[in-house]
Amino acid sequence: NAGVTQTPKFRVLKTGQSMTLLCAQDMNHEYMYWYRQDPGMGLRLIHYSVGEGTTAKGEVPDGYNVSRLKKQNFLLGLESAAPSQTSVYFCASSLRGNTEAFFGQGTRLTVV
Amino acid sequence: EDQVTQSPEALRLQEGESSSLNCSYTVSGLRGLFWYRQDPGKGPEFLFTLYSAGEEKEKERLKATLTKKESFLHITAPKPEDSATYLCAVPPYTNDMRFGAGTRLTVKP
Repeated sequence: NAGVTQTPKFRVLKTGQSMTLLCAQDMNHEYMYWYRQDPGMGLRLIHYSVGEGTTAKGEVPDGYNVSRLKKQNFLLGLESAAPSQTSVYFCASSLRGNTEAFFGQGTRLTVV
Repeated sequence: EDQVTQSPEALRLQEGESSSLNCSYTVSGLRGLFWYRQDPGKGPEFLFTLYSAGEEKEKERLKATLTKKESFLHITAPKPEDSATYLCAVPPYTNDMRFGAGTRLTVKP
């Protein structure tokens, strides 16, 4: 049982480049989330989805877009990467809102 | 403003030396307080959810307690394998989750 899988695990981007992070879950969860984790700041919610075809903004959505075309997948896009987006990105899923969340292994992104 | 503050930032213990981690929060309406464990290079792993003041939950050497303004994670007779960063989180409103910066615990043999 894979749980939550993120790809890629590491990536280096140049300022202005674009990329997409993929998150896949095999637990049939309705809710999916994208967080970023920075030293000393804890995890911060970027965007989330409460079901297939839905997305909503979290605490720090600027500079990111998301899509949830299939229930098991949640994509995070950076259209024009900036050094401030250097971070570790985590995807998570949960059966319902405000319940136990299952996290992926993370993607370490560096923007130079 | 909704805030979650964890203390201390780092804690070093000898194996068998019990201690407690603190999580204080300011949210308008508590919808649960969550504890996670995070190992280096990995995603957080769920430990407990507490919903009301006075509630306690235990798992092996860990016990989480909740009051109206804070939660404690008590670690009894820790072992080196308990070394990790412990995160607490509260949802200020539905579908959001605010995490504290975490307490990095090191247990020396």
